[in-house]
Amino acid sequence: GENVEQHPSTLSVQEGDSAVIKCTYSDSASNYFPWYKQELGKRPQLIIDIRSNVGEKKDQRIAVTLNKTAKHFSLHITETQPEDSAVYFCAASRGAQKLVFGQGTRLTINP
Amino acid sequence: GAGVSQSPSNKVTEKGKDVELRCDPISGHTALYWYRQSLGQGLEFLIYFQGNSAPDKSGLPSDRFSAERTGGSVSTLTIQRTQQEDSAVYLCASSFRTTYNEQFFGPGTRLTVL
Repeated sequence: GENVEQHPSTLSVQEGDSAVIKCTYSDSASNYFPWYKQELGKRPQLIIDIRSNVGEKKDQRIAVTLNKTAKHFSLHITETQPEDSAVYFCAASRGAQKLVFGQGTRLTINP
Repeated sequence: GAGVSQSPSNKVTEKGKDVELRCDPISGHTALYWYRQSLGQGLEFLIYFQGNSAPDKSGLPSDRFSAERTGGSVSTLTIQRTQQEDSAVYLCASSFRTTYNEQFFGPGTRLTVL
């Protein structure tokens, strides 16, 4: 079955700097890769996703890149702000099947 | 429109008791998923319903766990003879698309087994 590895487990950056979180997956048939942000005590919120037919997608300060050959994808947050502090989860799925999640990255933005 | 809702938000029970957790998906969403999140951990898949197809139960940790989805809408996750290791947040998600899997999560039910 699918296995998703996520790194780093914790990340601390200065406000205004960029943050990068990386994930690898094992199932070459996976075709959908979302990223979720989870604030303390809250539900996971979808912040961006990418499909296997696209190499990069950007939404304001957030971007995701996908390398299908290497089976890895990354989340990039630029000009970080204190409200970006949260736990971020990557995931992978094949079609409409279950999401397999990475273990999460706790991102802290230092003012 | 309304998002995914779950009830109760918190449930405290004694070891050995049965519990039922409810999920109301977004109207019109054909797929419904249950996940479990232990304290400080990632999300663990439990079960998935898609339309009228047989559910994917591959993530259920033991036969004490079961789930049903009535009328293609509301779902109930039942845990029988609860154990302390069942303590976690149980999250439900629903999805409309059948090709690409944009899942929207409910607020979760925090289960504590004493």
